[in-house]
Amino acid sequence: DADVTQTPRNRITKTGKRIMLECSQTKGHDRMYWYRQDPGLGLRLIYYSFDVKDINKGEISDGYSVSRQAQAKFSLSLESAIPNQTALYFCATSRTGDDGGYTFGSGTRLTVV
Amino acid sequence: QKEVEQNSGPLSVPEGAIASLNCTYSDRVSQSFFWYRQYSGKSPELIMSIYSNGDKEDGRFTAQLNKASQYVSLLIRDSQPSDSATYLCAVPNFSGGYNKLIFGAGTRLAVHP
Repeated sequence: DADVTQTPRNRITKTGKRIMLECSQTKGHDRMYWYRQDPGLGLRLIYYSFDVKDINKGEISDGYSVSRQAQAKFSLSLESAIPNQTALYFCATSRTGDDGGYTFGSGTRLTVV
Repeated sequence: QKEVEQNSGPLSVPEGAIASLNCTYSDRVSQSFFWYRQYSGKSPELIMSIYSNGDKEDGRFTAQLNKASQYVSLLIRDSQPSDSATYLCAVPNFSGGYNKLIFGAGTRLAVHP
């Protein structure tokens, strides 16, 4: 089984719909992150959490919200999806004190029509 | 100025040649630097980290760091077609008191037989 699991792998949704992307990990890492990737723009940080009670906005948090339900689970929600949120979304984890060795999930490809 | 800048490429090299990938960063206080490799449709994976000025070698990969010039590079010797991927440079950002990685947009490398 994968260390960092993202569901769903692919999703097509309509404009205005609410959608949740889920991430769970078995690494025992305390830190979790959500990034989105667009062609030519690289990975951009949406939200990050350093423990269950800690949630922080990244550089592009508008239109998104998150929930850290447990140390192992970090969900990303789009309250009202819009077409420019079409992207590849990655969840990543790391451990406090590690040297930047993030472990990434396999990604969720989201299309908003 | 973007925090982390890379030439998007594609960088095309023949099999067996040296591929040179470059990255510049804006935050002078950065102390650690990372290279991730991402195959098409897959998630990024960490391949190199470097903390001190100079060179760090790991198999066919060499990372080079020049903090005075705010420049980090990745050399791939004896390039193979299997090295064809996008290479992402990542630098920690400490804004808000939290350490999280900021990624460049990536350089696409194509190694042709």
